[in-house]
Amino acid sequence: QVLLQVSGPGLVKPSETLSLTCTVSGGSISGYYWNWIRQPPGKGLEWIGSIYYSGSTDFTPSLSSRVTMSVDTSKNQFSLKLNSVTAADTAVYYCGRSRVPGAPGLWGQGTLVTVSS
Amino acid sequence: EIVLTQSPGTLSLSPGERATLSCRASQSVSSNYLAWYQQKPGQAPRLLIYGTSSRATGTPDRFSGSGSGTDFTLTINRLEPEDFAVYYCQQYIKSTRTFGQGTKVEIK
Repeated sequence: QVLLQVSGPGLVKPSETLSLTCTVSGGSISGYYWNWIRQPPGKGLEWIGSIYYSGSTDFTPSLSSRVTMSVDTSKNQFSLKLNSVTAADTAVYYCGRSRVPGAPGLWGQGTLVTVSS
Repeated sequence: EIVLTQSPGTLSLSPGERATLSCRASQSVSSNYLAWYQQKPGQAPRLLIYGTSSRATGTPDRFSGSGSGTDFTLTINRLEPEDFAVYYCQQYIKSTRTFGQGTKVEIK
């Protein structure tokens, strides 16, 4: 079956860039939207943005100035970069697959990223 | 930005009872773009319902979604032990694709 695996540093210093990669195994990255969603500890969900397999992107306005997403179809991976992070960016970051932007039917396991010096 | 307000915050019920969860939007949402998720502790959310009332693959038929405009409902008939969790609604038509704050369904 299709699995999504998030990888990247679990600790990022304030003002630096958070970088995560989601690897898709057991299926193709083509034909789908690929999403990043985060959840601060003990809080609710926030959609960060989506990237189509062709590379078109859509970001939530509050983060759009700090977010970059990319897709590498040859590696079946897509990535998130969030720059100028603060403690408010501490969260579990999930990747997910959807047929339309923003509503993943398949999720990765999530990874906790802590912003701290 | 469309704000989704879920109620109640916590629902205390016994197995076998019916759960009715509400999601109210600050402005009208197309029925095609309203989803419900279930999240258990330490796990990623799981899509239950999309397009207001369509069950995702693997969603038991005791889960049903309904509503239109600004008022949407997730109903769980005959609660099973594995249904006790947090439930989120989400609209995914507008650029912010916002989630509600969640309703916790706990064992009474």
